[in-house]
Amino acid sequence: SQKIEQNSEALNIQEGKTATLTCNYTNYSPAYLQWYRQDPGRGPVFLLLIRENEKEKRKERLKVTFDTTLKQSLFHITASQPADSATYLCALDKRGTDKLIFGTGTRLQVFP
Amino acid sequence: NAGVTQTPKFQVLKTGQSMTLQCAQDMNHEYMSWYRQDPGMGLRLIHYSVGAGITDQGEVPNGYNVSRSTTEDFPLRLLSAAPSQTSVYFCASSLEGARETQYFGPGTRLLVL
Repeated sequence: SQKIEQNSEALNIQEGKTATLTCNYTNYSPAYLQWYRQDPGRGPVFLLLIRENEKEKRKERLKVTFDTTLKQSLFHITASQPADSATYLCALDKRGTDKLIFGTGTRLQVFP
Repeated sequence: NAGVTQTPKFQVLKTGQSMTLQCAQDMNHEYMSWYRQDPGMGLRLIHYSVGAGITDQGEVPNGYNVSRSTTEDFPLRLLSAAPSQTSVYFCASSLEGARETQYFGPGTRLLVL
């Protein structure tokens, strides 16, 4: 069956450290992978998009990698801050369709 | 630009009632979609549209209907609400498709008793 797996347990890290979140997928072959941030009671907000022919993408303190062999994307937040505390969702396109499929999300808590 | 707007913010229904969740965008986006979000289940795609007059089923379409008569609006209809449809519903839009930045609305919280 097709699955997108993100750590269901919350990730707790100390301010200033690097947070690394994982997105693994099974039986998909996406051309694109996206990461979103969602705060409680609000809609998701787009962060980064990476294509299958790109190994890595950066935006300020954010970095995304995409390994189509391992079927995995890693999302890094360097020098994390309490304001980075939120749920982070990965999403991928279902090749051959116009569907965008989301993972269940990982909650990140950054404490001072 | 208002972006993506959704109404109502919150709704309580009784089992068997019908209602329409409204979604509108003012960015001239061709692609629009509806998701539901339940605890531990993430966002699940209900229906989507690649342009006016074109709609298609997502991963969990049963119990929901959509139409896209204009580029701006993409309403979601529950014909006979069931408790299993209690959820938070999000509408999203993008310029052309699923492979682009999605802009989400603030959500509608629906409780079916």
